Amino acid sequence: QITLKESGLTLVKPTQTLTLTCAFSGSSLSTSGVGVAWIRQPPGKALEWLALIFWDDDKRYSPSLKNRLTISKDTSKNQVVLRMTNMDPVDTATYYCAHRLQYPSGTTPYDAFDIWGQGIMVTVSS
Amino acid sequence: SSELTQDPAVSVALGQTVRITCRGDSLRGSYASWFQQKPGRAPLLVFYGKDNRPSGIPDRFSGSNSGNTASLTITGAQAEDEADYYCNSRDDSGNHGVVFGGGTKLTVL
Repeated sequence: QITLKESGLTLVKPTQTLTLTCAFSGSSLSTSGVGVAWIRQPPGKALEWLALIFWDDDKRYSPSLKNRLTISKDTSKNQVVLRMTNMDPVDTATYYCAHRLQYPSGTTPYDAFDIWGQGIMVTVSS
Repeated sequence: SSELTQDPAVSVALGQTVRITCRGDSLRGSYASWFQQKPGRAPLLVFYGKDNRPSGIPDRFSGSNSGNTASLTITGAQAEDEADYYCNSRDDSGNHGVVFGGGTKLTVL
């Protein structure tokens, strides 16, 4: 059974860099087809996709945040790390990591996140 | 990047059927996935792809896709279905990313 758990600092100052870790268990990040995403949700607002990394190190980023984000994986630790630079109070949100289901090759794609971490609330304030 | 549009709020009488819609050009080339979120909880996948329901999700949840519109239908809504519902799809702007809709607050009367 796949589980994910986010960790990292929950209070950061403006202009600092946020580093979040997603501990992935029940499967291996090196297994063909595995993908893990970061998604955030400001208080009272909608979900926002941030980044996605695959078993083969393919990486995708939100166009609006691409310049501030770096996603990476440590296969030996089975962890996915998200770094977000130049944090601002508008980045205050709950940050989730989630496992992406693999869809059959050659078919219409979908991005179904079937397993989510509990989320970590990050506050940006001086 | 792509955009997905959802009605902000929908209500349904207990036991009746409700359809939640999601519109966007990106849905012409990819299927939607649907997530239920209750206050203070992580989102829960309730339907995805052409016709897939995760294990443990009641069969009163179903989905459909047509053109630029995806729909989640709850047949015989229950009180516990009151939640926020989000759709997502592949971003068709070329970055192969993901886009979420703005969410629909479902109230069961």
